Amino acid sequence: DGGITQSPKYLFRKEGQNVTLSCEQNLNHDAMYWYRQDPGQGLRLIYYSQIVNDFQKGDIAEGYSVSREKKESFPLTVTSAQKNPTAFYLCASSSSGSPYNEQFFGPGTRLTVL
Amino acid sequence: QQQVKQSPQSLIVQKGGISIINCAYENTAFDYFPWYQQFPGKGPALLIAIRPDVSEKKEGRFTISFNKSAKQFSLHIMDSQPGDSATYFCAASKGNQAGTALIFGKGTTLSVSS
Repeated sequence: DGGITQSPKYLFRKEGQNVTLSCEQNLNHDAMYWYRQDPGQGLRLIYYSQIVNDFQKGDIAEGYSVSREKKESFPLTVTSAQKNPTAFYLCASSSSGSPYNEQFFGPGTRLTVL
Repeated sequence: QQQVKQSPQSLIVQKGGISIINCAYENTAFDYFPWYQQFPGKGPALLIAIRPDVSEKKEGRFTISFNKSAKQFSLHIMDSQPGDSATYFCAASKGNQAGTALIFGKGTTLSVSS
């Protein structure tokens, strides 16, 4: 069953704590992305990676960090430096063979800071 | 600076009616314009996409109209059904290769009443 998995579905964090969101894909896609979604704000790009061991900052990278040690995995760490981390986080991937750079999204992780 | 402006924010349409969502962009370097559909609690999924070398693309009940000179594009949903009730996002990018960042609009929440 191919697709993108994100875990956990819901995550609660105390202020001042770092937390890591998992994203795994078995679609053999080269590129992976992290977006943040807030009500009425659309999707905003945090980080993206075109190949293993390489990634670029998106529009709102401050307070976040990523790694891409394996093609199928792209974890996102929300650090204590992120001032307003409560949001819905979406991971996506795309294939270099796709004619439209179709990005396939995971089911998301809803992070709440208590 | 919002590079892709989407309107309306919300839309209510009667079953069988036509739903129209509009987007405008500033950057003339954009050359790929997809629309994504998102159901509550799920990740977005690609609905339809267009390149600027055509003025219209139709897939079933969904049509994209593109006006390059006005830097505008729109999604038309014909014979709208309750199952179309979702949030729709337009997006734009420079190129369509894997790893190209998409810039999303803020979304339109569509409700189709039966």
